[in-house]
Amino acid sequence: QVQLVESGGGVVQPGRSLRLSCAASGFTFSTYGMHWVRQAPGKGLEWVAVISFDGNNKYYADSVKGRVTISRDNSRNTLDLHMSSLRAEDTAVYYCARNTESYHYYFDYWGQGTLVTVSS
Amino acid sequence: EIVLTQSPGTLSLSPGERATLSCRASQSVSSSYLAWYQQKPGQAPRLLIYGASSRATGIPDRISGSGSGTDFTLTISRLEPEDFAVYYCQQYASSLPITFGQGTRLEIK
Repeated sequence: QVQLVESGGGVVQPGRSLRLSCAASGFTFSTYGMHWVRQAPGKGLEWVAVISFDGNNKYYADSVKGRVTISRDNSRNTLDLHMSSLRAEDTAVYYCARNTESYHYYFDYWGQGTLVTVSS
Repeated sequence: EIVLTQSPGTLSLSPGERATLSCRASQSVSSSYLAWYQQKPGQAPRLLIYGASSRATGIPDRISGSGSGTDFTLTISRLEPEDFAVYYCQQYASSLPITFGQGTRLEIK
């Protein structure tokens, strides 16, 4: 069965960096686009970034552009999100999510999320 | 960017009743590229509906989606205890960014 397991969250000071990872299993990872979506405590869902199946195309939300890099390693079935210059407003649960088989941007499987808290 | 507005913010109903959730877009969502997700406390969202009206795998037929253009509806015909959760709509018609509605909380009356 499809599994997505995020890791790397924690408490980090403002201005510092953090790298999140998502381990994928149960499907052919290299054939699916992948996303990061976040959810601030008690708030709604916010899309963060997407990477194409081959890693050649990457897009970001304006709120994180220039501070975040999405990447993937298809040989290890992993998805990463490198976050720098972190701000209090980046505090959220970060989910990795699989894009559907179609080329349309919606999500058919989600991980359980990893919490990032930006605080001094 | 397409802005999605969901209503009501909170819906209080009893098991067995019918739930109607609304999602309105700031501009037309072409080809009905709209999805609905369910999220329970402490859990990840789950895909319910895509293409405005197609049920995702394993979703019971008491859950249905409808609508086109700027107005979309998620209907749960007979509420079961497990249906009480937060529901989000998401559009994927326009170019990025992907946007979500702010959510509707469906609570037990």
